[in-house]
Amino acid sequence: AQTVTQSQPEMSVQEAETVTLSCTYDTSENNYYLFWYKQPPSRQMILVIRQEAYKQQNATENRFSVNFQKAAKSFSLKISDSQLGDTAMYFCAFMMGPGANSKLTFGKGITLSVRP
Amino acid sequence: DAEITQSPRHKITETGRQVTLACHQTWNHNNMFWYRQDLGHGLRLIHYSYGVQDTNKGEVSDGYSVSRSNTEDLPLTLESAASSQTSVYFCASSPGQGNTEAFFGQGTRLTVV
Repeated sequence: AQTVTQSQPEMSVQEAETVTLSCTYDTSENNYYLFWYKQPPSRQMILVIRQEAYKQQNATENRFSVNFQKAAKSFSLKISDSQLGDTAMYFCAFMMGPGANSKLTFGKGITLSVRP
Repeated sequence: DAEITQSPRHKITETGRQVTLACHQTWNHNNMFWYRQDLGHGLRLIHYSYGVQDTNKGEVSDGYSVSRSNTEDLPLTLESAASSQTSVYFCASSPGQGNTEAFFGQGTRLTVV
């Protein structure tokens, strides 16, 4: 079975600064996908970024980027130029591949607060 | 626009009652999932379906059931509600077949008193 660990329950960052959210996972699979989801106070789950394990290049989406270390089974999210709207809970998640016909395994989440 | 909707958004029920939470998607996705969200646990999988007449148990399926009679709907039933089932419930769907993106409903906050 796969496990996803987010060991930091809360983090705080000053607006316009950079923050890194940590995530580690455990799996015996070689093909899989990793995700970061954002959940603002509205409760909506929003996909932030996705990484395919077979790709060595780290995924990037505007101010969001990941540091994917496959050997270390580490998948951290870096948020640059933090904005007040980034205040939310963030979940790291794992999906087995190939085929992507599978369910998500989530970490416990981290609450990020961006201070003005 | 295609969407996934859950109803109701909020519900309070009494211990021992049967409760059904609705999930309806217009994406025509084969895959549908139910998760529950609890503080300190993240989201945990309850049941999932890969198509009509297909249902599977997830990590925390005890006390819950689902049925899939068409592509659009996957209702979640709590057979006899317990206080431990007080939670926020999310439905999600995904196309599968190489497309990994999951689309989530708005969530249902269920309180069992």
